[in-house]
Amino acid sequence: DTEVTQTPKHLVMGMTNKKSLKCEQHMGHRAMYWYKQKAKKPPELMFVYSYEKLSINESVPSRFSPECPNSSLLNLHLHALQPEDSALYLCASSQEVSGPTEAFFGQGTRLTVV
Amino acid sequence: DAKTTQPNSMESNEEEPVHLPCNHSTISGTDYIHWYRQLPSQGPEYVIHGLTSNVNNRMASLAIAEDRKSSTLILHRATLRDAAVYYCILYSYSGAGSYQLTFGKGTKLSVIP
Repeated sequence: DTEVTQTPKHLVMGMTNKKSLKCEQHMGHRAMYWYKQKAKKPPELMFVYSYEKLSINESVPSRFSPECPNSSLLNLHLHALQPEDSALYLCASSQEVSGPTEAFFGQGTRLTVV
Repeated sequence: DAKTTQPNSMESNEEEPVHLPCNHSTISGTDYIHWYRQLPSQGPEYVIHGLTSNVNNRMASLAIAEDRKSSTLILHRATLRDAAVYYCILYSYSGAGSYQLTFGKGTKLSVIP
């Protein structure tokens, strides 16, 4: 299984809602990533988890809260988002045992904030 | 952060080779050069990576300059399915126990039938 599965595929939420994005991989990868991608722009790194610990937070607003409950699962909790947060949210994972190997990306969750 | 520079767009005829250039003049000795591509409405897909030597795989070849300040992704015979945005990325150690995969602007490749 070489897949990174993201759910849901689409999400519409109001600015006062709380929702969560889910990412799962069963490749035994120990590094997991969240990216945000606006239309016609490259993905922007948000968070990196290494061995289930948050190792990089790219100055992301606190309305985005990541969580890594176990080595296979990565969540992104959303609260009080703004319309400008509407984007494609991508999850990725990689092995990184002795150097950076290929990263596998999910198909993303397309988020619309209304 | 290490940075890369790529042409915004390129065109190729179908079944001809494509050479996609990338400049990374600030690369450090421990940075790996990775290439990913992203088809419309999909997540990025790994293409190839290397450190110092040229690399080949079933998808493409990667030619790395001797000083490592530039590299070229080579698609040997472009097909319509190769039309995508190609990202050249320096995979850098973050110093916080993990590696950081930071995307540049990428090159949009169009393939003409």
